[in-house]
Amino acid sequence: EPEVTQTPSHQVTQMGQEVILRCVPISNHLYFYWYRQILGQKVEFLVSFYNNEISEKSEIFDDQFSVERPDGSNFTLKIRSTKLEDSAMYFCASRELAGGRNIQYFGAGTRLSVL
Amino acid sequence: QKEVEQNSGPLSVPEGAIASLNCTYSDRVSQSFFWYRQYSGKSPELIMSIYSNGDKEDGRFTAQLNKASQYVSLLIRDSQPSDSATYLCAVNMNFGNEKLTFGTGTRLTIIP
Repeated sequence: EPEVTQTPSHQVTQMGQEVILRCVPISNHLYFYWYRQILGQKVEFLVSFYNNEISEKSEIFDDQFSVERPDGSNFTLKIRSTKLEDSAMYFCASRELAGGRNIQYFGAGTRLSVL
Repeated sequence: QKEVEQNSGPLSVPEGAIASLNCTYSDRVSQSFFWYRQYSGKSPELIMSIYSNGDKEDGRFTAQLNKASQYVSLLIRDSQPSDSATYLCAVNMNFGNEKLTFGTGTRLTIIP
C-alpha cells in the first residue's frame, strides 16, 4: 500500500541551527502538507503546498520556515534557525488532486529535538 | 478562532462494549469530517471520513454527523484492547481551505 515516507525519524539539533525535514508523498498525490504536534498537544497545521507554491500557511509558519519541492518526489520543510519551542513531531501529509474529498494520509513523522 | 472540541478523557470501556467518542466544531461552513486514530508516539491514521448528515458504517466503526448541531461522533462496537489509542477529530472546510483543524483528542482505554 502506498505511504508517505519521512526522514529522518529523529533529528537532534542545537538551538540556532538549520534543519531540513524530508518527505516523499504518495506518488499520484498533488497536495502536500506539514503539521506539527508538540508533546501532549494537538496536531497543528503549518502549511499546504500545491502546484509548486504555498496555498495556505498558519501563523506558526513564520519567516524561519520554508518549504520546497526540489524534484518530482521530495517535499521538504526547512527551519532556518531553530528555537527550543520548535521541538515537536513534524508530520507530512499528502492527498489526491480530485475526488479524494481531502483525505490526507500522514507519514510516520520526524521527531525534532532542539537542545 | 475556529475550534474543534473533544473530551480529552481518559475514557475507559470494557472489552466487547461500545465506545462512544464525541466532537463539536465551531465553524458552520465545515464540510468534511474525519476521525484519526493515534497510538502513542505514532502518526495519525485515518479510520473514518464523513461528509453528509447521518450515519456511516465501516466494520466496527460508525461515524455520525449532525451539521445543525455541529456535532460528529464515532462509535466503536465490540471494542478490542487494540482499539486503545487517542482518537482525533479533524474538520475541513473544503472549497479552497484545505487544512485540517484537529481537536485535542480523546484517550480511549479498552479494559480486558
